[in-house]
Amino acid sequence: GNSVTQMEGPVTLSEEAFLTINCTYTATGYPSLFWYVQYPGEGLQLLLKATKADDKGSNKGFEATYRKETTSFHLEKGSVQVSDSAVYFCALRSSGGGADGLTFGKGTHLIIQP
Amino acid sequence: KAGVTQTPRYLIKTRGQQVTLSCSPISGHRSVSWYQQTPGQGLQFLFEYFSETQRNKGNFPGRFSGRQFSNSRSEMNVSTLELGDSALYLCASSLEGYSYGYTFGSGTRLTVV
Repeated sequence: GNSVTQMEGPVTLSEEAFLTINCTYTATGYPSLFWYVQYPGEGLQLLLKATKADDKGSNKGFEATYRKETTSFHLEKGSVQVSDSAVYFCALRSSGGGADGLTFGKGTHLIIQP
Repeated sequence: KAGVTQTPRYLIKTRGQQVTLSCSPISGHRSVSWYQQTPGQGLQFLFEYFSETQRNKGNFPGRFSGRQFSNSRSEMNVSTLELGDSALYLCASSLEGYSYGYTFGSGTRLTVV
């Protein structure tokens, strides 16, 4: 079956630090990959996505590259802000008709200190 | 463009009761899926609907059921509630196709006492 593994944290960084959140996956075929962010008390928001190998998704200064050879989709940001504090979820959607919904990692709680 | 709307936002129910949660997807989205979020288990897939048909179901007991109407609105029902059913229930809608991401609602917070 499909699975997603990501570092759970919490990850605590100082403002303006470089961020990497690792994500690896197991899936049959060629899934689409996503990063979602959840702010306290809210639902999930799509942060970025990539639908094929070597695609780079980017949004709000965050980037992630679909690496098929290493089955990874690591999230990076060059300079984090306090407002980036949230829980980040890596997820995949199977290419098998997309009927399986999303498979999520456990989530990484990110805390940015001023 | 209106987002995914879930009602109610909060519910408190007693063990043994049943509950129905509602979800209105984004206009034009015919895929609707439901997820349960708990601190211990994280986000778990409940089921996926497309054009009134359930296409897949996650590993949950038969007490969890759902349906989708012709206007793509969806409901999920949990019967004989247990304390462990306390969770945030999230609904998400999408265009058809695995390359599309889902747009999530704000969720319904269910507390079973």
